[in-house]
Amino acid sequence: AQSVAQPEDQVNVAEGNPLTVKCTYSVSGNPYLFWYVQYPNRGLQFLLKYITGDNLVKGSYGFEAEFNKSQTSFHLKKPSALVSDSALYFCAVRDPSGAAGNKLTFGGGTRVLVKP
Amino acid sequence: KAGVTQTPRYLIKTRGQQVTLSCSPISGHRSVSWYQQTPGQGLQFLFEYFSETQRNKGNFPGRFSGRQFSNSRSEMNVSTLELGDSALYLCASSLDQGVFEQYFGPGTRLTVT
Repeated sequence: AQSVAQPEDQVNVAEGNPLTVKCTYSVSGNPYLFWYVQYPNRGLQFLLKYITGDNLVKGSYGFEAEFNKSQTSFHLKKPSALVSDSALYFCAVRDPSGAAGNKLTFGGGTRVLVKP
Repeated sequence: KAGVTQTPRYLIKTRGQQVTLSCSPISGHRSVSWYQQTPGQGLQFLFEYFSETQRNKGNFPGRFSGRQFSNSRSEMNVSTLELGDSALYLCASSLDQGVFEQYFGPGTRLTVT
């Protein structure tokens, strides 16, 4: 069975500093990995995905993520955080075999607080 | 292009009642998935529909059911509501061919009293 872990419940960072949100995964085969962000009283917004190819994936709003197969990690990064980046971030994995359709398995989420 | 819409946005029900939630996917998207979000359990997959057929189901009791119509709109139903069913129910749609991201609606906040 596939699983995702986000080891930090909350990440605090000062505005302008680099932001990293950690994610590790467990899945058979090559993973399909996703990052989503959720603002208060809103649904999830897609940020980026890794399917194959370049280990550094660039996404929306200046975010990027690095896929590391040996460490089974997919950490989300932003070089310079904004106060508006304060939100709840979710890492997710999809079964690469397709047997589970589009089902996403999510991590527990990491709350990011960017202080001015 | 209009996003995923969900109705109603907020709902208050009493234990033992049933509820129906509606989801309209992005135009052209044929896959619709439902997720339950709670503070304790996080985001959990309920089920996915594609071309009016349930393609996958999560680990939820039979009180949770759904369906999809020919225009890809989907509904989910929860019967005999329990307090623990209080949650944000999120619908997501996606194209089906290839590995496409899912687009989520704003959710329906269900409160069971």
